[in-house]
Amino acid sequence: AQSVTQLGSHVSVSEGALVLLRCNYSSSVPPYLFWYVQYPNQGLQLLLKYTSAATLVKGINGFEAEFKKSETSFHLTKPSAHMSDAAEYFCAVSEGINGNNRLAFGKGNQVVVIP
Amino acid sequence: EAGVAQSPRYKIIEKRQSVAFWCNPISGHATLYWYQQILGQGPKLLIQFQNNGVVDDSQLPKDRFSAERLKGVDSTLKIQPAKLEDSAVYLCASSLVLAGPSYEQYFGPGTRLTVT
Repeated sequence: AQSVTQLGSHVSVSEGALVLLRCNYSSSVPPYLFWYVQYPNQGLQLLLKYTSAATLVKGINGFEAEFKKSETSFHLTKPSAHMSDAAEYFCAVSEGINGNNRLAFGKGNQVVVIP
Repeated sequence: EAGVAQSPRYKIIEKRQSVAFWCNPISGHATLYWYQQILGQGPKLLIQFQNNGVVDDSQLPKDRFSAERLKGVDSTLKIQPAKLEDSAVYLCASSLVLAGPSYEQYFGPGTRLTVT
């Protein structure tokens, strides 16, 4: 069954520093991979997605992620953290088998940006 | 374009009571999803509809949870009777298509349920 692992529930980063959130996936078929962001009391918003095209995916708000099949990883990065990046981030995988695009989410990373 | 609407935003009930949540997806979106997000965890799919038919309800606790999507638009999720462990945020999402690599799920703000 498909699954993702996100380590470190809370991540603290200084304003202006690199943001790195790790995601490793498990899938029996070539996966579709997603990163979502959730601000307090709001629903999830798609940051970016990998759908078997380019392995380096650029998303909104300056985020990008690289798909590495050999490492079964899809880590999320942003070169310079901004205060507005404080939120919870979820990695998700979908196998899209038989037309079922069920998303399996990781436990999330709560990002705190320190001024 | 209006987003996914959910109501109520917050609900507090006692255990063994019943509760219902409502979702209105983005206009034209054929696929609708209900997720349960327990504090400290990622969302977990409960049920997925394609128009008014169920595609996947394998993780729905059918002894107490039910959902319907009449006319293929709005949907309701019901819990009867509620247990303490049902305390969570219930998220509704919709997508334009069921299958394919380019689909995207759009999420509503969620309903936060507290069972006391």
